[in-house]
Amino acid sequence: EPEVTQTPSHQVTQMGQEVILRCVPISNHLYFYWYRQILGQKVEFLVSFYNNEISEKSEIFDDQFSVERPDGSNFTLKIRSTKLEDSAMYFCASRKDRGGGELFFGEGSRLTVL
Amino acid sequence: RKEVEQDPGPFNVPEGATVAFNCTYSNSASQSFFWYRQDCRKEPKLLMSVYSSGNEDGRFTAQLNRASQYISLLIRDSKLSDSATYLCVVNDYKLSFGAGTTVTVRA
Repeated sequence: EPEVTQTPSHQVTQMGQEVILRCVPISNHLYFYWYRQILGQKVEFLVSFYNNEISEKSEIFDDQFSVERPDGSNFTLKIRSTKLEDSAMYFCASRKDRGGGELFFGEGSRLTVL
Repeated sequence: RKEVEQDPGPFNVPEGATVAFNCTYSNSASQSFFWYRQDCRKEPKLLMSVYSSGNEDGRFTAQLNRASQYISLLIRDSKLSDSATYLCVVNDYKLSFGAGTTVTVRA
């Protein structure tokens, strides 16, 4: 069964460092998403991506965040200068269409900022 | 009003019991919805899609009430393996998640 894969599964970094989280969405999917979930809290939307550009982003997705699809398969989330409050589980997700299709999640990348 | 609100629970029920809980949403234009389940520290996984008045899949029944803007999930004959957090998701442009309802099924 096709799946969304994410790397790394866990990353520990120092405050102020740059982090890149990687995702490989399901190959025939067109819409890509990043969500984050702070421990014990709800899943929060960060950004959606379609046709090689950001289609929507939340207030959380400020200038320290960026996304890219560098090679047609990977979908990356970059956090330029990490803060303590960026510690969370980051989930990548993809789906085939926007109308109503199921959103498939990766297993997540746990980011710990010290 | 929050975009998606759920009763956080927890609902503690014995095996075999029926448990039901609701989710309310604020965007009256929303057309479709999902119930996802999330186990501790894992990714959300789709349980059911809800497009019209409701959906049924085995022991799970989802109902949609557009007039009152809520979706419900009912679990019949609950099993220990049903213990999880159930996330209500509204299919707007970004897919808005509720905070989840925690269900614990005890032996």
